Amino acid sequence: QSVLTQPPSVSGAPGQRVTISCTGSSSNIGGVYDVHWYQQLPGTAPKLLIFGNNNRPSGVPDRFSGSKSGTSASLAITGLQAEDEAGYYCQSYDSSLSGSVFGGGTKLTVL
Amino acid sequence: QVQLVQSGAEVKKPGASVKVSCQSSGYTFTSYGISWVRQAPGQGLEWMGWISAYNGNTVYAQNLQGRVTMTTDTSTSTAYMEVRSLRSDDTAVYYCARGPYYFSSKNYYSGDYWGQGTLVTVSS
Repeated sequence: QSVLTQPPSVSGAPGQRVTISCTGSSSNIGGVYDVHWYQQLPGTAPKLLIFGNNNRPSGVPDRFSGSKSGTSASLAITGLQAEDEAGYYCQSYDSSLSGSVFGGGTKLTVL
Repeated sequence: QVQLVQSGAEVKKPGASVKVSCQSSGYTFTSYGISWVRQAPGQGLEWMGWISAYNGNTVYAQNLQGRVTMTTDTSTSTAYMEVRSLRSDDTAVYYCARGPYYFSSKNYYSGDYWGQGTLVTVSS
């Protein structure tokens, strides 16, 4: 059971907008700690999608965006494409654990 | 181009140790750190720790303290991660990633380039 809670699954049709939530507490997201997001396609290594709450590494389409408010963060994907079907994970630091933590992951299905 | 190439799959018995390597190329090794993350079959990602390739400073996940050791060899730009006293629940794919130069709790993230993963199976 992760200290960062994500919905197990979300889905959307091509072209739609979906959001994935990541809910924490005052010892992680609600503190001064940034949230980062990764995409993991089936059978491959994770890929950094968003760092520092809302920054995209070079090469990541602007269809992906991140936000953080209070003890939660969100990843938004607009203009959904079939290739976006993957697992998505949030990551932050937890002061109670004195280490970094991942959310449990969310499986995105493109209908 | 930046590449992290990991060692091959391992099968170990309970109680044994395993050491996974991660060879980096395409960037200045000592200007970054190396993070380690594992993923049990069908499960999510688990953060294991980080090591500075500059000075060897480490930060380990609390639940692995005492059983895991991360090291680097700057002469070969290779990072190593050893887990001792293996149990069946250590069965996982182990990933290395190019992490930040220093560990800042405020903005640390695992990495921007990742290795291909190494499957470690613990079975009697």
